[in-house]
Amino acid sequence: QKEVEQDPGPLSVPEGAIVSLNCTYSNSAFQYFMWYRQYSRKGPELLMYTYSSGNKEDGRFTAQVDKSSKYISLFIRDSQPSDSATYLCAMTGGNFGNEKLTFGTGTRLTIIP
Amino acid sequence: EADIYQTPRYLVIGTGKKITLECSQTMGHDKMYWYQQDPGMELHLIHYSYGVNSTEKGDLSSESTVSRIRTEHFPLTLESARPSHTSQYLCASSEWEGFSGNTIYFGEGSWLTVV
Repeated sequence: QKEVEQDPGPLSVPEGAIVSLNCTYSNSAFQYFMWYRQYSRKGPELLMYTYSSGNKEDGRFTAQVDKSSKYISLFIRDSQPSDSATYLCAMTGGNFGNEKLTFGTGTRLTIIP
Repeated sequence: EADIYQTPRYLVIGTGKKITLECSQTMGHDKMYWYQQDPGMELHLIHYSYGVNSTEKGDLSSESTVSRIRTEHFPLTLESARPSHTSQYLCASSEWEGFSGNTIYFGEGSWLTVV
């Protein structure tokens, strides 16, 4: 079983919709959680990171972490065609550097104008 | 926008050839990484470096090798390419600091096809 599970999609939603992207994980040592956005034929770029449980908001993006359920989410409000990309979750434990990051497979999202 | 550059972006090469994927960053970051990513699959760390003259193997076993002679430069070499090496290779870098807020910056990737 993989440490991080992510629905690969593809997910297609109309412009303006609220998008929910999710990951589950099995390693209870994970404390830092990240979401990366990757456009086609480009490298990933960090969207948001959160520590432990709770919510974090940045503009149209909200990241949620529920450590009791080992479940993280990324919500995109008022989705735009420019949000069409693959979204990767990533996570690691405390005191670990980036060399211990574990990535999900990514969810491919398409926003339909 | 991250200042990390990879060349070549796309390469088609025959079996048995030696190849070097170049990676350079202008941010002065100590830590650099090479990831391998197949379509629809996770990123897997194959090499990383804490700084000059430091190289470590990542979680995914790879026949490639790396070197870190200069802070800004982290090339990856395959001595004898095989079709199984066909993949996307992503270079990345980050500052050497505590994890909180430690951002990894990725290059645009090198797509390698071995025929």
